Amino acid sequence: GAGVSQSPSNKVTEKGKDVELRCDPISGHTALYWYRQSLGQGLEFLIYFQGNSAPDKSGLPSDRFSAERTGGSVSTLTIQRTQQEDSAVYLCASSLGPGDNEQFFGPGTRLTVL
Amino acid sequence: GQQLNQSPQSMFIQEGEDVSMNCTSSSIFNTWLWYKQEPGEGPVLLIALYKAGELTSNGRLTAQFGITRKDSFLNISASIPSDVGIYFCAGPNSGTYKYIFGTGTRLKVLA
Repeated sequence: GAGVSQSPSNKVTEKGKDVELRCDPISGHTALYWYRQSLGQGLEFLIYFQGNSAPDKSGLPSDRFSAERTGGSVSTLTIQRTQQEDSAVYLCASSLGPGDNEQFFGPGTRLTVL
Repeated sequence: GQQLNQSPQSMFIQEGEDVSMNCTSSSIFNTWLWYKQEPGEGPVLLIALYKAGELTSNGRLTAQFGITRKDSFLNISASIPSDVGIYFCAGPNSGTYKYIFGTGTRLKVLA
């Protein structure tokens, strides 16, 4: 079956514009995670969804960042008024459920803010 | 908050050599995970550890859950060129589903 997919694979935007990043998890996976990976760095947790609910939003860097998940499947991460420091690879992962440690990652969206 | 520090930051080794890397934390983790990330891709889970002292193998990879629960080790035996990548340790922040990832060990294998 298909793995986790993300779109777009690359996004270049101008400072101040809004961007939407999309994640399609593996079918049947109820848990979904967003991470940010800056160049040469580890992964920084952003947000976790169980179904359509986000019990943990503590990783979102600022109120410019928001995420939603609909139908227990597709998720979008929105960054408003992008800043240059938002440039990074945004990774999405899904797992069967909460507490299932095997997260399957998508290939990521590389965001560049000029 | 909880942080995971990995060492070494990078390694250059000859094909066929064994590799050791470790991950340490200032606080206790109840689960340790080791991931590998190749260029342009997301990380892939290699090994999961759930019990202090546990030693688990996956082919040429062996990982151990430290007895203090504040560290973990990953060994790769007889390295091959396709072992190239970044290796991350990770674990869930205590009592949550927020996963903390380490700083990574970048491995390069010279043929």
